[in-house]
Amino acid sequence: QKEVEQDPGPLSVPEGAIVSLNCTYSNSAFQYFMWYRQYSRKGPELLMYTYSSGNKEDGRFTAQVDKSSKYISLFIRDSQPSDSATYLCAMSKGAGSYQLTFGKGTKLSVIP
Amino acid sequence: DTAVSQTPKYLVTQMGNDKSIKCEQNLGHDTMYWYKQDSKKFLKIMFSYNNKELIINETVPNRFSPKSPDKAHLNLHINSLELGDSAVYFCASSPWPSGRAEQYFGPGTRLTVT
Repeated sequence: QKEVEQDPGPLSVPEGAIVSLNCTYSNSAFQYFMWYRQYSRKGPELLMYTYSSGNKEDGRFTAQVDKSSKYISLFIRDSQPSDSATYLCAMSKGAGSYQLTFGKGTKLSVIP
Repeated sequence: DTAVSQTPKYLVTQMGNDKSIKCEQNLGHDTMYWYKQDSKKFLKIMFSYNNKELIINETVPNRFSPKSPDKAHLNLHINSLELGDSAVYFCASSPWPSGRAEQYFGPGTRLTVT
């Protein structure tokens, strides 16, 4: 079993839809959780950062962490064509050098 | 102002050559990383440096050698390039060990070995 599982999609939604992206993980040592957005031929861009369980909201984006279920989610409200990208979940154990373990990414297309 | 920069952006070279990729960050972070993203877009850690000292050296062929002249720079030198080295290489930096785990990535260097 991989440490971090993420459905690669692709996921296609109409403009204005609510998007739900998810990752599951197997190692309960993960404490820090992140979502990155990566446009084609660009570097990953940090979208959301959370520590431990709970919710965090930033504009149209909401990140949720459920450590008891080892499950994290990213919700995008009122999705826009500019949200079309690959979304990567990442997590860290907060030990050693805080290296990140990434999911494989979900490719999202928002259709106008 | 660019936070994490890499040069070159594209690198096309032949098998057997030696090449270097440079990375610089102006975020004042103490820790820098190299990641490899393969053709399936999977990002995997290669090396981690904290304040010029190597912390992580994942299972990477010893043809890959990172060098950190100071804490704002982390270069990657690759000897005897092979076809399988073709990938996108990302540099990242982090405020660790400040207690925050997020990392900031550069734009990537697309390496093609022919």
